[in-house]
Amino acid sequence: AQSVTQPDIHITVSEGASLELRCNYSYGATPYLFWYVQSPGQGLQLLLKYFSGDTLVQGIKGFEAEFKRSQSSFNLRKPSVHWSDAAEYFCAVGPGGSQGNLIFGKGTKLSVKP
Amino acid sequence: DSGVTQTPKHLITATGQRVTLRCSPRSGDLSVYWYQQSLDQGLQFLIQYYNGEERAKGNILERFSAQQFPDLHSELNLSSLELGDSALYFCASSAGLSGNTIYFGEGSWLTVV
Repeated sequence: AQSVTQPDIHITVSEGASLELRCNYSYGATPYLFWYVQSPGQGLQLLLKYFSGDTLVQGIKGFEAEFKRSQSSFNLRKPSVHWSDAAEYFCAVGPGGSQGNLIFGKGTKLSVKP
Repeated sequence: DSGVTQTPKHLITATGQRVTLRCSPRSGDLSVYWYQQSLDQGLQFLIQYYNGEERAKGNILERFSAQQFPDLHSELNLSSLELGDSALYFCASSAGLSGNTIYFGEGSWLTVV
């Protein structure tokens, strides 16, 4: 069955520190992969997506993610975290090439220390 | 602002009741998706409509139904409500059937008491 695992429920980093949020997926073929961010009281906003090609994907707000087929991973990174990055982050897979019928992970809540 | 509008933002109702959540997609978008976000199940895809027709179904209960009207707005109907239906219900829209980025609304908070 297709699934997405985000092993870390909650991560706290200091402002200015680097960030890596982990995501592992289970899918038979090459998946469409996504990272979304949800700020309190807001809907989900797409940070970046991967379909094919270059395995390092750049997104908005200075985020990037790297697709590693051998590890079935799609980890999200940011070199320097800002206090405004505090939010919940969701990794998702789009089966069958869909960008809409997504399977989401449980999310990782990011807290940022001043 | 994603351009997707959901009403109501908050709703409190009793068990056994029926509610309707409304979604207006972004201008020009033909696809509407409904998602449920709950503490125990996380974010789950419920159903997709494209230009008035149901196109994909996820983990939607039989007590729940949806439709998309000719003006492309959509409604999610939840009936015989149970405590476990308390959740944040998101609507999202996209331009096409499957190959376009989807944009989420801010959600409708449903509390069943």
